[in-house]
Amino acid sequence: DTGVSQDPRHKITKRGQNVTFRCDPISEHNRLYWYRQTLGQGPEFLTYFQNEAQLEKSRLLSDRFSAERPKGSFSTLEIQRTEQGDSAMYLCASSPTTGWGEKLFFGSGTQLSVL
Amino acid sequence: SQQGEEDPQALSIQEGENATMNCSYKTSINNLQWYRQNSGRGLVHLILIRSNEREKHSGRLRVTLDTSKKSSSLLITASRAADTASYFCATSGSARQLTFGSGTQLTVLP
Repeated sequence: DTGVSQDPRHKITKRGQNVTFRCDPISEHNRLYWYRQTLGQGPEFLTYFQNEAQLEKSRLLSDRFSAERPKGSFSTLEIQRTEQGDSAMYLCASSPTTGWGEKLFFGSGTQLSVL
Repeated sequence: SQQGEEDPQALSIQEGENATMNCSYKTSINNLQWYRQNSGRGLVHLILIRSNEREKHSGRLRVTLDTSKKSSSLLITASRAADTASYFCATSGSARQLTFGSGTQLTVLP
């Protein structure tokens, strides 16, 4: 169990640029989640995958955001045409269960700053 | 949107004292979890309490759940400087994903 890995840890970009983040979940974890967290707030759900299928997306996930999990392993989150309001910590989490509401294992996050 | 609200938003105590933080939520739940987050890091799961449980212990942690009041409390006994972190409650209910509160920032002074 090597934990959930996220890359990069920090990303600084200019408004209008595209950015992509990667998450490697704990191996054999079926579920993978993306959350967004702004300063002083708790994480807010963005989307989740059951294996390779993206089963739910939050209304927070505008059409500038896209997430993939090819082959049910690692996942990528892409933000196109970034805006200053996209600045946040993007957290990935995984879970081994197919049930609901069990504990999540989080990565250390990617801190995005949009200038 | 945030399901839970933690209280207080910030708490500062001396090492060795107990720290209590509270969480209130709005809708019925299957379980409630507490997570800890050190500055700039991801969240770490602390404890899970199911809706049919009233109290749970794990080391220096004690969690209570009152479903009639839609509230939970987390007690950290004999706090240490290393306990300094943000603490979040998260609920699982009709929504299939965990919904987090806004957190309590705990500072333990040496």
